[in-house]
Amino acid sequence: NAGVTQTPKFQVLKTGQSMTLQCAQDMNHEYMSWYRQDPGMGLRLIHYSVGAGITDQGEVPNGYNVSRSTTEDFPLRLLSAAPSQTSVYFCASNRVGSYEQYFGPGTRLTVT
Amino acid sequence: AQTVTQSQPEMSVQEAETVTLSCTYDTSESDYYLFWYKQPPSRQMILVIRQEAYKQQNATENRFSVNFQKAAKSFSLKISDSQLGDAAMYFCAYSNTGNQFYFGTGTSLTVIP
Repeated sequence: NAGVTQTPKFQVLKTGQSMTLQCAQDMNHEYMSWYRQDPGMGLRLIHYSVGAGITDQGEVPNGYNVSRSTTEDFPLRLLSAAPSQTSVYFCASNRVGSYEQYFGPGTRLTVT
Repeated sequence: AQTVTQSQPEMSVQEAETVTLSCTYDTSESDYYLFWYKQPPSRQMILVIRQEAYKQQNATENRFSVNFQKAAKSFSLKISDSQLGDAAMYFCAYSNTGNQFYFGTGTSLTVIP
């Protein structure tokens, strides 16, 4: 099993550009989540999904879109990047009934 | 939203000594889970220990143990016989749904040889 994979590992964007952060898991987990990690702020939930076709907002959803067309994939879209979105992004997944989240390696995004 | 508070931004401990990291949380739920995660410089999030709120017995994993005080909404992590490899950022986290997790701001632990 590859577990939770994220691509890319690093990305630099200019303000206003769009991009998609990819997340995939091969453990057949129903739940998937996106977090951002900023210095002194811990991890904050952006969006989450409880299954294919079902997504919901977390604590800090503004500026981000998600979709979940398959169980395996949960991409995070930045439609118009802003410097405030400079952060490290983590994807995580877990099985229904299990509170153990598996995290991807993270993507460091810089918006200039 | 639930809140998780870690009031110690930085802690240090001598190698082989014991250190306790603090965490408090706010919830109106009676059934939930609490977690401690370790994040070394590699950035990978590693689950250290978890506690189910309905269990009165404190969780233990080798050198790591928790002091769970449900009434006080307190969940501290004790690391015994500290090792150089324990140096990392530690995050306390809460979930009562399994699909929404709330994290504290973290405690950076330094281990002094």
